[in-house]
This record gives sequence, C-alpha cells and structure tokens, in this order.
Amino acid sequence: SAVISQKPSRDICQRGTSLTIQCQVDSQVTMMFWYRQQPGQSLTLIATANQGSEATYESGFVIDKFPISRPNLTFSTLTVSNMSPEDSSIYLCSVEGDSLSYEQYFGPGTRLTVT
Amino acid sequence: DQQVKQNSPSLSVQEGRISILNCDYTNSMFDYFLWYKKYPAEGPTFLISISSIKDKNEDGRFTVFLNKSAKHLSLHIVPSQPGDSAVYFCGRGNTPLVFGKGTRLSVIA
Repeated sequence: SAVISQKPSRDICQRGTSLTIQCQVDSQVTMMFWYRQQPGQSLTLIATANQGSEATYESGFVIDKFPISRPNLTFSTLTVSNMSPEDSSIYLCSVEGDSLSYEQYFGPGTRLTVT
Repeated sequence: DQQVKQNSPSLSVQEGRISILNCDYTNSMFDYFLWYKKYPAEGPTFLISISSIKDKNEDGRFTVFLNKSAKHLSLHIVPSQPGDSAVYFCGRGNTPLVFGKGTRLSVIA
C-alpha cells in the first residue's frame, strides 16, 4: 500500500484568495487523483493528474479554478483559485493500488473553510 | 444524476449485533464495487470489494452482497464493534471511482 501525506491538513481562507494543497506519495505512481467532499456530499473526482501531461478534469471542474501540477511521480499540487464559501470542502488526493483491482489509497485530506 | 446512492445517512447498532449498510446503483453495466471506511480527519481506506461475477465476498467480519437484478449491494458487519464507528462509502469501481454520499455507522457499546 502507498503512504500519502497532504499539506496543509486544514486552513481557513478569505474569499477571493487561492490555496495550494500538496500531496506527497512514498512511492512512484503514474496516476494521482484529486477528490472533493463537500459537506453532506459524496467524494467527487475533480481531476486525474499524470506526470508529464495536462491533468484531465471531470465535468464541472475547470483548470482555471483548480490548476494542478504534477512535476514528478511522487508529488502533485492542487490549487483552489479565487475561493468562495462554496469551495469549503475536504480535498483529498489518492493513488491507484494494485493494477489488478480498482482500489485506491487516499491521503488524509485537507479541510478548507472559506469565509 | 447520482450513479451510486446510499439512502441512509446514519445507522446506530449495538455492539455485537449485525450492521447492514445499503447501496443502490443505477447502471447495470457497472461491474465492480468497493466499500471504503472513513474515520474523522483521515482519508478513506479500502475495506472490501466485489466483482459482478460474484454475489458475495467475505473478509473476516465483513461481507458484501451483490444483487444485480435489484442493482443493490449491502455490507454486513458481524459482530459490530465500537471501532467500526465510521462513515462507510460504497463506490463503483473502474476509474474514475464514483462514490455514494456515505453512511455514518455508530456502534454503541
């Protein structure tokens, strides 16, 4: 299994500002995923980040709002830009597990509150 | 449109009894399902999975049942323990994973 860390673990930000969340994995992985869990909602995939290529965004999420970097095989960042209170969520990164299963390993999450 | 639905936001069960968490899905083409458990301030952790070629998968105290005709799966925890208190998400396998909203299980000692 992969060990994943995220920074920061939580933050309170003012509307209109941006926050960059870091995700570090203890092994090299091809694909990294960014999810959001809004209060009372399901875990929703924001985008898939492959090293060396542009991230692939899910419907409803755009690069201008959630730019992603993937500089190497163990690290990724997600930026939440021009924040509004609706962006208050837990943001999680994850990586794929065994290639024979669909299991994913998740980081501990970043709890973001926008005031 | 929610592809995976968990209609019970919460469930309370006494220690030692059975916990049954339910999940419905909309697309009969889905062929792999997973259950994740999430404690506060931690990321979800994989619990158990089931492929559509099976109707049951068991791992210790945890058993997942799949009813393809009803497009329904359930997670049974027997016997329930206080440490099982967490939020449980069912999800459709295949990338990208699609999760339900979760069910908060409280096991009361």
